[in-house]
Amino acid sequence: GQQLNQSPQSMFIQEGEDVSMNCTSSSIFNTWLWYKQDPGEGPVLLIALYKAGELTSNGRLTAQFGITRKDSFLNISASIPSDVGIYFCAGSFGGSNYKLTFGKGTLLTVNP
Amino acid sequence: NAGVTQTPKFRILKIGQSMTLQCAQDMNHNYMYWYRQDPGMGLKLIYYSVGAGITDKGEVPNGYNVSRSTTEDFPLRLELAAPSQTSVYFCASTLGGSDNEKLFFGSGTQLSVL
Repeated sequence: GQQLNQSPQSMFIQEGEDVSMNCTSSSIFNTWLWYKQDPGEGPVLLIALYKAGELTSNGRLTAQFGITRKDSFLNISASIPSDVGIYFCAGSFGGSNYKLTFGKGTLLTVNP
Repeated sequence: NAGVTQTPKFRILKIGQSMTLQCAQDMNHNYMYWYRQDPGMGLKLIYYSVGAGITDKGEVPNGYNVSRSTTEDFPLRLELAAPSQTSVYFCASTLGGSDNEKLFFGSGTQLSVL
């Protein structure tokens, strides 16, 4: 199956710091998405990206769809304790091949 | 709207036992999915459905079965539980069309097979 390489696997940061994580693929995707999973819950969609080069923000979160369509990154600015969780990237080819391929996740811990 | 509801929240099975994980959504979504999440491994697609009466295999379907008799419900059946099926199971749904990739997840079922 398709592989998404998500890094880093885990991060330990202090409250107030900025965070950056990324995802790369050997395949070209038409859609990149970022989900967040709080402890004990299911993932929730944060940001969806549909065009190469697209840069989209959602509050303190900013994500970009790479120009090559093989990568994406997510930045979190001024982290707060509730940012704790697992962040997943996901890619889709779109059209009839719409099923998502997920990365393995980045576990973020924020020290108050 | 309750969204996607999964039951039970936790379950312990003995090897060889069977069980059904329940999933229901009240958003009138056409597409429904079952994923399993193993530590550090992300989400793997087990089965999916594009509408009532239609199901198809995902990446890791062995040992599981599904049915979709109504738009709302998409149960996942384990016939002969094995330790390799110890995992957290998530059900998800989407409206379809241009929102195909925007999954709404349930809160998961943590299953242990001993």
